[in-house]
Amino acid sequence: NAGVTQTPKFQVLKTGQSMTLQCAQDMNHNSMYWYRQDPGMGLRLIYYSASEGTTDKGEVPNGYNVSRLNKREFSLRLESAAPSQTSVYFCASSPQGTQFFGPGTRLTVL
Amino acid sequence: AQRVTQPEKLLSVFKGAPVELKCNYSYSGSPELFWYVQYSRQRLQLLLRHISRESIKGFTADLNKGETSFHLKKPFAQEEDSAMYYCALSSRYSGAGSYQLTFGKGTKLSVIP
Repeated sequence: NAGVTQTPKFQVLKTGQSMTLQCAQDMNHNSMYWYRQDPGMGLRLIYYSASEGTTDKGEVPNGYNVSRLNKREFSLRLESAAPSQTSVYFCASSPQGTQFFGPGTRLTVL
Repeated sequence: AQRVTQPEKLLSVFKGAPVELKCNYSYSGSPELFWYVQYSRQRLQLLLRHISRESIKGFTADLNKGETSFHLKKPFAQEEDSAMYYCALSSRYSGAGSYQLTFGKGTKLSVIP
């Protein structure tokens, strides 16, 4: 039982490049989330998915898109990366209430 | 709208001293509160959940609805307690089946040997 997994662990992009962050969970949770973590800002919700086939914007969705591919997988896409998107990205899943987090992706945009 | 406030960015204590990490919240409904811990460059891990009323790694937290607080306490700090601590409040998105976690900005605990 791996819990929540994320790939890649590290990524460096140039401004304007695109990439997709992958997240998968094997706990059969309905809800999945994407957060970014920045120093002094805590965790801020980017997008969430209450169930397979649904996605909704969180606090800071601009510049991102998501896909809930199936119940297990929830991906985050940066279409045209900007330096302001340099951050650590965490995926989480939840049955209800408690959320379980992945190990994070450390993204640097030059 | 819900809000979680952790007033201290950094808290330094000596090993063996008591620790109290403060958390205040504002929420119009019945809150469900959590403490998460993040050790250096690792994932967030659930430390405590108020409805469980349990003690994990010697930490406890009591929900005080009158003062809208959920402070985290430990009587004797250990060096391995050095980490980032986040208080979070759970609320249900209206019209959706998903629960939102609103996080405080976190308190970095440093335990001095």
